[in-house]
Amino acid sequence: GAVVSQHPSRVICKSGTSVKIECRSLDFQATTMFWYRQFPKQSLMLMATSNEGSKATYEQGVEKDKFLINHASLTLSTLTVTSAHPEDSSFYICSASENRGSYEKLFFGSGTQLSVL
Amino acid sequence: LAKTTQPISMDSYEGQEVNITCSHNNIATNDYITWYQQFPSQGPRFIIQGYKTKVTNEVASLFIPADRKSSTLSLPRVSLSDTAVYYCLVVNTGGFKTIFGAGTRLFVKA
Repeated sequence: GAVVSQHPSRVICKSGTSVKIECRSLDFQATTMFWYRQFPKQSLMLMATSNEGSKATYEQGVEKDKFLINHASLTLSTLTVTSAHPEDSSFYICSASENRGSYEKLFFGSGTQLSVL
Repeated sequence: LAKTTQPISMDSYEGQEVNITCSHNNIATNDYITWYQQFPSQGPRFIIQGYKTKVTNEVASLFIPADRKSSTLSLPRVSLSDTAVYYCLVVNTGGFKTIFGAGTRLFVKA
């Protein structure tokens, strides 16, 4: 099956710094990728939909200036958590579909555990 | 987006068959039913997908009745390593976003 690579797997940063998370589709092109965050014992919460070559679409309540998404190529989307604070500590996961415009089957990255001190 | 309802948790023993049912009363004609498995600190993993009747792969079976308002994921002879959270999703093939419900926490005991 298709592989989605996500890096880093774990990051610890100081409050006020920015952190960039990369999501790559290794063996397919992904025009659309999704970014989720997940708190302990909770389900995945969709943050935004990342579209190659255009602006991301953010879910209600997600600050677009706080969580910057860039999808500059068909195989790479990045999520930058700007001026991170302890409440941003969470598990961030990306996903992508092999099929253009069809999301019934997604492949997920391994996730990034962000801890903000 | 069709909302899904699953049991919060289930317990089982090794070697048993586990059936997890998901309700999706508002499923639309173009919606597919997809199940994912998630282990702690990992991204979800695709298990199986179906539109109607029965689908089987090397991991599980998916049973979907004619009205498609529910579906049942069947895991044959579970092992301890099947302890995970299982998510049922209903996704439109027309390009709609994917929303996760609460999922079912399956605990497999020795």
